[in-house]
Amino acid sequence: DAGITQSPRHKVTETGTPVTLRCHQTENHRYMYWYRQDPGHGLRLIHYSYGVKDTDKGEVSDGYSVSRSKTEDFLLTLESATSSQTSVYFCAIRGTAFAEAFFGQGTRLTVV
Amino acid sequence: GIQVEQSPPDLILQEGANSTLRCNFSDSVNNLQWFHQNPWGQLINLFYIPSGTKQNGRLSATTVATERYSLLYISSSQTTDSGVYFCAVLTQGGSEKLVFGKGTKLTVNP
Repeated sequence: DAGITQSPRHKVTETGTPVTLRCHQTENHRYMYWYRQDPGHGLRLIHYSYGVKDTDKGEVSDGYSVSRSKTEDFLLTLESATSSQTSVYFCAIRGTAFAEAFFGQGTRLTVV
Repeated sequence: GIQVEQSPPDLILQEGANSTLRCNFSDSVNNLQWFHQNPWGQLINLFYIPSGTKQNGRLSATTVATERYSLLYISSSQTTDSGVYFCAVLTQGGSEKLVFGKGTKLTVNP
């Protein structure tokens, strides 16, 4: 199994609070991705990174920010959580260009 | 951006039946993968198949990149095949985005 760890695995938070999800890899892969999964929508890309300090937006980036200060960690931050951000969040990693992607176990976030 | 469409959206089979799932994409791609999401939510890699045909046990996949589609074949289905099957494509042009279809939900009844 690819060495990807997401934390926390489950979180319940209140509307308006900041939340940070962490994706940690031990594979030294260049590319890292954050997705959210909602019923009827499949997996939608939030942000991705193609190197340390190199990030770009996906299709549903509003309300989210990311940081990658070292190769192994990619952080997803909800500055002020809203109920619409209740979802399951997945991290993925990919090595070189054209390489296969592997996913973490997911984080279930509930905003109440 | 690139569009990825999967069909059918839902499929119900009896154990032992065969099935074909389809993935169409609207632009040239560098990579195509098939995933199985099991009932516990885990995403499992099935095939990395930018072109050609691959087989793994009862599952096989074919990608015809020039015609922008891929097919996933499941033979002699088992209840453990139930779940959602996703295809994902890696866009060309340097953007490195991995874009998913909405998936096919497969239910295999005993």
